[in-house]
Amino acid sequence: DAKTTQPPSMDCAEGRAANLPCNHSTISGNEYVYWYRQIHSQGPQYIIHGLKNNETNEMASLIITEDRKSSTLILPHATLRDTAVYYCIVRVYEGETSGSRLTFGEGTQLTVNP
Amino acid sequence: NAGVTQTPKFQVLKTGQSMTLQCAQDMNHEYMSWYRQDPGMGLRLIHYSVGAGITDQGEVPNGYNVSRSTTEDFPLRLLSAAPSQTSVYFCASSRGTFEQFFGPGTRLTVL
Repeated sequence: DAKTTQPPSMDCAEGRAANLPCNHSTISGNEYVYWYRQIHSQGPQYIIHGLKNNETNEMASLIITEDRKSSTLILPHATLRDTAVYYCIVRVYEGETSGSRLTFGEGTQLTVNP
Repeated sequence: NAGVTQTPKFQVLKTGQSMTLQCAQDMNHEYMSWYRQDPGMGLRLIHYSVGAGITDQGEVPNGYNVSRSTTEDFPLRLLSAAPSQTSVYFCASSRGTFEQFFGPGTRLTVL
C-alpha cells in the first residue's frame, strides 16, 4: 500500500473551512484513499473515501488531484467538536475485506479554535 | 443498536498472565478486526475475520490469538502478557463496504 504524508498538526478557526492535505505520491491505480478521524482517544470514525473522483457526504468533501498523488479533506464549517486526529489512508482494493484491513499512520492533529 | 462493544474498558495485568478482550457487534457485520494503538501512534492491525470460522493475521499478530465462532463475537486472547503489549485495543466491524465501525477501546497495562 502507498505511503501517505500528512502534516502533524493544523489549526483552524471555528466556522471556517478546514483543509487537511495528504500526499500519496506513490499511489497506484487500484488504491483507494480513506479518511478517518479519532476524537480524544475514542475509536476512529469513518469520514469518507474515494478512488479518483471528488466525493462529498454529510461530513466532508474529498478532493483528489487529477494525478492522484495528493488529496485534501475539507470540513466546510469546522466546529469545536471537529478537533481530532485525522488519518489519511491508502489501501489497495482486494475485494470487500480491503476496507477492514487498514493501517493508520500518525495523522494530523486538527485543533479548531473558538 | 449498541454498535460495537468492548469489555473491559481498562485492565492491568502482570507479565505472564493471560486474558481475553471481548468484542461484540449487533449489526450483523461479516467483517471484524482487532487493532492496537500505542501512545502517540496510529492503529496497527492485529487479526481480522471475514466471517464466522474464518480468521487471518494482520500486521502485528504475535502474542495474540483470535477465534470467531459466531457472527457477533470476536474475542482477542493474550497468551502470556508482556509489557510491550501495553496499548489501547480497538475492535472494529464492517459489512463489506468501505466503512468500519470502531468500539470504544480497551486500555491495557502490563506490568
